[in-house]
Amino acid sequence: GIQVEQSPPDLILQEGANSTLRCNFSDSVNNLQWFHQNPWGQLINLFYIPSGTKQNGRLSATTVATERYSLLYISSSQTTDSGVYFCAVHPWRYQTGANNLFFGTGTRLTVIP
Amino acid sequence: EPEVTQTPSHQVTQMGQEVILRCVPISNHLYFYWYRQILGQKVEFLVSFYNNEISEKSEIFDDQFSVERPDGSNFTLKIRSTKLEDSAMYFCASSAGGSGYEQYFGPGTRLTVT
Repeated sequence: GIQVEQSPPDLILQEGANSTLRCNFSDSVNNLQWFHQNPWGQLINLFYIPSGTKQNGRLSATTVATERYSLLYISSSQTTDSGVYFCAVHPWRYQTGANNLFFGTGTRLTVIP
Repeated sequence: EPEVTQTPSHQVTQMGQEVILRCVPISNHLYFYWYRQILGQKVEFLVSFYNNEISEKSEIFDDQFSVERPDGSNFTLKIRSTKLEDSAMYFCASSAGGSGYEQYFGPGTRLTVT
């Protein structure tokens, strides 16, 4: 199956700092989503970004599909940004109609005041 | 904004008991999914459902699992005889289309098997 690797596995930031999270994947994809898992375990949709760049407030994401990676940028981090960030992808070659996502192992972000 | 809902938020059951986890997908979506996340691990795909039948399932989705869309709004996951290792967070998701479409996730049901 497709390999999805996220880095770094852990990240500790001072409030107000910026960060970049990376997601590498081993096959061409037609779906890539970024999620934030909050301390209660809920998965919050951040971006649907199989290619290109999107921005939402302090967060932005870029996917370079031809080079098989995606980046999530968090600017001016806040303590509420703490949690685990997951990247999830669906490979192009799985053209069965379904869209099951393959998740990475996540980046655990801790923002300290 | 439409959202996927799941009930209950937390369920505790004894080993060997049957449990049913419930989901209400977004109303005009056609594809429905269940995922599982064991504590501290990544999220794993269990099954996808389209046109009233399973379209994909993973190796995890063995004979003790089943899914059903009993009416026009609910989507359920049944575990027939729970094991300790079934303790996990279970997420339901839905999408408007198949391959390549964005998936919307529910808040999850935390299942604890004692």
